[in-house]
Amino acid sequence: EAQVTQNPRYLITVTGKKLTVTCSQNMNHEYMSWYRQDPGLGLRQIYYSMNVEVTDKGDVPEGYKVSRKEKRNFPLILESPSPNQTSLYFCASSRQGLNYGYTFGSGTRLTVV
Amino acid sequence: AQTVTQSQPEMSVQEAETVTLSCTYDTSENNYYLFWYKQPPSRQMILVIRQEAYKQQNATENRFSVNFQKAAKSFSLKISDSQLGDTAMYFCAFIRGSNYKLTFGKGTLLTVNP
Repeated sequence: EAQVTQNPRYLITVTGKKLTVTCSQNMNHEYMSWYRQDPGLGLRQIYYSMNVEVTDKGDVPEGYKVSRKEKRNFPLILESPSPNQTSLYFCASSRQGLNYGYTFGSGTRLTVV
Repeated sequence: AQTVTQSQPEMSVQEAETVTLSCTYDTSENNYYLFWYKQPPSRQMILVIRQEAYKQQNATENRFSVNFQKAAKSFSLKISDSQLGDTAMYFCAFIRGSNYKLTFGKGTLLTVNP
């Protein structure tokens, strides 16, 4: 089944403890992206990648890191999480061609205490 | 900067009736696509319908259709014969060809009442 897989689905952590949210897609998509969703703000892009080793900042990149060493994987790294990073996170991927839109993972609910 | 505006934070409709969700966008590009995504309580993001900017014909997918007014930069979603399962948050989104960045509006929470 074609899908974007995120892990974990839920995570509670403490301020300052480094964490990684994994994202993997099995569709050989070139484009991958991370979003955070907050009430009243919609989805805001954190980082995106146009292909292996090509990444760029989105609208809210502060406090996050990403890497794209393999085409299928695009992990999101929080080096020192803070409570304002408590949010619902989505990974998404797309093949080349604007009309395909993005396929989303199931989301990761992160709580930083 | 590209922006997407959904002016209706919440809407409700009776089952079997028709409802229209509004969306406007702002861009200086000519090469772009527009989408409506649905997010039910399961929080999964589901692509509902897409519209190519260079096509004048409005897209239709079963009970879902759009009214695309390119000059006005308007992209509304019409849901006909509303069903209880249509209850969800609906996001309008815009993708530009220059960098494949998908930009979302803030969403409209639609409740379908029995």
